[in-house]
Formats: sequence, structure tokens, C-alpha cells
Amino acid sequence: DAGVIQSPRHEVTEMGQEVTLRCKPISGHNSLFWYRQTMMRGLELLIYFNNNVPIDDSGMPEDRFSAKMPNASFSTLKIQPSEPRDSAVYFCASSLGGGTPKLFFGSGTQLSVL
Amino acid sequence: RKEVEQDPGPFNVPEGATVAFNCTYSNSASQSFFWYRQDCRKEPKLLMSVYSSGNEDGRFTAQLNRASQYISLLIRDSKLSDSATYLCVFNQAGTALIFGKGTTLSVSS
Repeated sequence: DAGVIQSPRHEVTEMGQEVTLRCKPISGHNSLFWYRQTMMRGLELLIYFNNNVPIDDSGMPEDRFSAKMPNASFSTLKIQPSEPRDSAVYFCASSLGGGTPKLFFGSGTQLSVL
Repeated sequence: RKEVEQDPGPFNVPEGATVAFNCTYSNSASQSFFWYRQDCRKEPKLLMSVYSSGNEDGRFTAQLNRASQYISLLIRDSKLSDSATYLCVFNQAGTALIFGKGTTLSVSS
């Protein structure tokens, strides 16, 4: 299996622009997670889905952030408008669900908002 | 009090040394505990689960102390390849994993 695939690997954009991050989970995995990692705050959970349904989005910073999972093989995280403080590494992860602790992470998207 | 606290380090040790990290958690309802490893500029990967009775995986030993609300990771006979950041992770039933900020280990020859 190819593992969790994220795109793009790097994104540099200007403040105010829309940013869309993409994720393809491992086939057969029922749960998908979006995390954000910075030096200051570490790895923070933004939102997670079970069977394509958002379960907990309490970590989404504000209305500028939105996430969708239209089907079992694709998810997006959108930031509109982006701000410099959004600069971070955004990880997508998937798991078999059912409480399994083993998350498989993608390689992450390094986002820089200038 | 933060949900999970780890000493960020770095811990600088020579090859062959034994090193231990602790991690404290604030929510007594936490049920499951894990250690993840993250190499520089890479994604986190599961290292091992932590069981109440303590568990070993080769040179790695993990322990849980529910009374004092901490978990620990002991690495014996450190290798250069052990250099990484070790993340303390926990969750409650039905919730997603919560990650600590990590402890950085640097093993030198």
C-alpha cells in the first residue's frame, strides 16, 4: 500500500489567499485525522472523521478553517483567508478505527503564509 | 495544568547509555497510552503501547503509573539511530489521540 498521501508537500502563499490541503487515506481505513504541528504548540488535533462523518472539530481554530471528506478516499482541509500564524506542518493520518491506537501519518504539508 | 507535559530536552547521551523520559497527564479519565517516535522533518510513527503492568520491546521499556498520572519510556544501550523526538500520546474512549510536544533525544558516538 502507498500509505497516506498528502499534497502538496510544500505550500508558500501570501496572506489572504485560500489554501487547500489534500489527503488520501490508506484504503480500508475508517478514520481520518487532521493535525497541525508547530514548535510552540506541538501536534494539535484539528478535526477527525469516522466513516466520512466529522466526529470532533473542536480543534479547528476558527471559521477560516474547514474540512471535508466527500468519500472514503479523499479529504481536504481549507484555510480561507490564510494568515501568517497559520504557518505550520499539517499532517493527515488514518487508522482502522474502532479505537486502534495506530495512526498512519502522511508526510505532511509544510505551509508558509507570508 | 496542560493535558500532557513532557520535558522537551534535548537529552544528549553517548552510545550505549540508558536514558529515561517521563510524561505526565492531567486527565484521570485517560485510558490508553502510547509512545510515538518522530524523526527530524518526518511524520510520527507508533513506537509502542503502554500497559499498566509495564511492557518491553527489545531495548525499550514502557511503564504506566496511574496513581501519579505519568508514563515513562526507558531506552537501554542507546544507538545512534535512536536519535529522534519521542511523543507521549494518550486518549479516552472514543476520542482521538492527544500528543505531547515531545522529548528530543540525541545519541552521539
